[in-house]
Amino acid sequence: QVQLVQSGAEVKKPGASVKVSCKASGYTFTSYYIHWVRRAPGQGLEWMGLINPSGGPTSYPQNLQGRVTVTRDTSTSTVYMELSSLTSEDTAVYYCARTQLGTTLMDIWGQGTMVTVSS
Amino acid sequence: QSVLTQPPSMSAAPGQKVTISCSGSSSNIGNNYVSWYQQLPGTAPKLLIYENNKRPSGIPDRFSGSRSGTSATLGITGLHTGDEADYYCGTWDSSLSAFWVFGGGTKLTVL
Repeated sequence: QVQLVQSGAEVKKPGASVKVSCKASGYTFTSYYIHWVRRAPGQGLEWMGLINPSGGPTSYPQNLQGRVTVTRDTSTSTVYMELSSLTSEDTAVYYCARTQLGTTLMDIWGQGTMVTVSS
Repeated sequence: QSVLTQPPSMSAAPGQKVTISCSGSSSNIGNNYVSWYQQLPGTAPKLLIYENNKRPSGIPDRFSGSRSGTSATLGITGLHTGDEADYYCGTWDSSLSAFWVFGGGTKLTVL
């Protein structure tokens, strides 16, 4: 079946980086953007960026430019999100989600990955 | 502060109807389809409505959506306790700050 499976929970120290993976299966990997979205405790959903797995172009929000990098490995149908210079405000559940090229909906979501930043 | 504005919380009794608003601008809702997402406690968000008013397979017709100008609305009828969740609107945005935007979310309480 169609699914996105994410890597497991992470605990990082302030200033470190974290890399979360999202493995796609059950559909044509290159036909769907993959977004990254996070939800911090007590906050709402925050869009973090996306990648077009077909050609690899990415887009990030201004407030995260320079700290977030999304990459993909087409040989394993896996997308990665790396966030650097972590602070306690980056403690959140991180989700990947797919959007079919040319549409405006995120129809399949990963299960989420908890990232805790603590000294 | 989110680009799309939603009421932070709403409440209604079981069996009642609720409408959740989502206000944006011409750079997002005014020129793009809106989708809505339900996030139950401890779970990933789930697509509820897409292209303003369409329901994915498996979503009951108690859920409906509409768009007018730069605002969108999610309606839920026949509320039950299982509808207690956070609800988010989302769409593409053509401004320079972000490519995709979500509303701040609405926590729905069914009491």
